[in-house]
Amino acid sequence: GDSVTQMEGPVTLSEEAFLTINCTYTATGYPSLFWYVQYPGEGLQLLLKATKADDKGSNKGFEATYRKETTSFHLEKGSVQVSDSAVYFCALYNAGNMLTFGGGTRLMVKP
Amino acid sequence: DTEVTQTPKHLVMGMTNKKSLKCEQHMGHRAMYWYKQKAKKPPELMFVYSYEKLSINESVPSRFSPECPNSSLLNLHLHALQPEDSALYLCASSQNPRDRGGGYTFGSGTRLTVV
Repeated sequence: GDSVTQMEGPVTLSEEAFLTINCTYTATGYPSLFWYVQYPGEGLQLLLKATKADDKGSNKGFEATYRKETTSFHLEKGSVQVSDSAVYFCALYNAGNMLTFGGGTRLMVKP
Repeated sequence: DTEVTQTPKHLVMGMTNKKSLKCEQHMGHRAMYWYKQKAKKPPELMFVYSYEKLSINESVPSRFSPECPNSSLLNLHLHALQPEDSALYLCASSQNPRDRGGGYTFGSGTRLTVV
């Protein structure tokens, strides 16, 4: 079946550092890929998405590129802020199936 | 309106109580979902409603009973829960069950504590 693997956290960075959170997936066909963010005490918010190979999703300074050849969708941000501290979930959606989440990666940004 | 609204935000209930969680959306989405999320874990799918009909039940115990009165509302009825059912319960919606590109819109969740 489909699966998503994320790097284990927590990831601790200083403000203005560069962020990469790795995400790889296993799926048949051509899934859509998503990054969701969950701030403390809240639900999940869609951060960005890509629906086909080589698409780049971007939002709020975050970017991720759908790489079919490496089955990856790594999340990046050039300069993180304390307000980016949250849990980030990579997810995929495949036709006829439900959203499949990775295990989540906690990001902690220190001033 | 681009939100999924869940009530209540917090709920404490005894093991003999009956309570209900409510979820509402006015985006015209025809698929709605209940998820359970334990601390430091990803959400786990419980139920899927597609065009107001239950299409997926992920082997959830019968003490959880979903209901979809109309296309905008989703309820989760709780009865005789156990302490291990304490979790964040998330509602989500999507354009339709086979919408590959839209993603899901999640509510803020109900934090449930069973005592």
